[in-house]
Amino acid sequence: SQQGEEDPQALSIQEGENATMNCSYKTSINNLQWYRQNSGRGLVHLILIRSNEREKHSGRLRVTLDTSKKSSSLLITASRAADTASYFCATDDYGNNRLAFGKGNQVVVIP
Amino acid sequence: EAGVTQFPSHSVIEKGQTVTLRCDPISGHDNLYWYRRVMGKEIKFLLHFVKESKQDESGMPNNRFLAERTGGTYSTLKVQPAELEDSGVYFCASSYSGRANEQYFGPGTRLTVT
Repeated sequence: SQQGEEDPQALSIQEGENATMNCSYKTSINNLQWYRQNSGRGLVHLILIRSNEREKHSGRLRVTLDTSKKSSSLLITASRAADTASYFCATDDYGNNRLAFGKGNQVVVIP
Repeated sequence: EAGVTQFPSHSVIEKGQTVTLRCDPISGHDNLYWYRRVMGKEIKFLLHFVKESKQDESGMPNNRFLAERTGGTYSTLKVQPAELEDSGVYFCASSYSGRANEQYFGPGTRLTVT
């Protein structure tokens, strides 16, 4: 089965800097989503990008999708300490509603 | 609008005991999903309800896990008997019928089996 897979790296940045993380997947998808999980909390839906979209913005978030390379990136601009969290991408198996998650990227924003 | 809620937030039980997790989806969401993340691994799909019917239970690990959604509202996930490897965080999510993939997650229940 296909699976979203982030580049398995922990990222530590200074407040105000930009944070970029990547995700690759293996099969055809309807859409790709990014979620955030703060320590001890649930998953917060950040943004969904459909397979026919190439880029999407939401506030300080910018997501790109390259279906030819089966990859996506999440950019957080002007990071804040509150952005410290784990970030997961999730893809859907084409034709069903199961989400496949990657291992997650830990981002630490230093005030 | 209230989000997805889960109860309890944390449960500690001994191996062999039974635990029941509860999920209340967002009102009006026909789709309800269970996922779990065991230590150090990815979040994995367990099953999907559409209203009270099991649409997809391909992710259920074994017959010690039983999920129900009587009446198509809240759902329960029972683990009986619990094993050490069942420890992890169990997430519930819900979505509208028209936007089934836009799933809204609850805070999760952290299950610790000792």
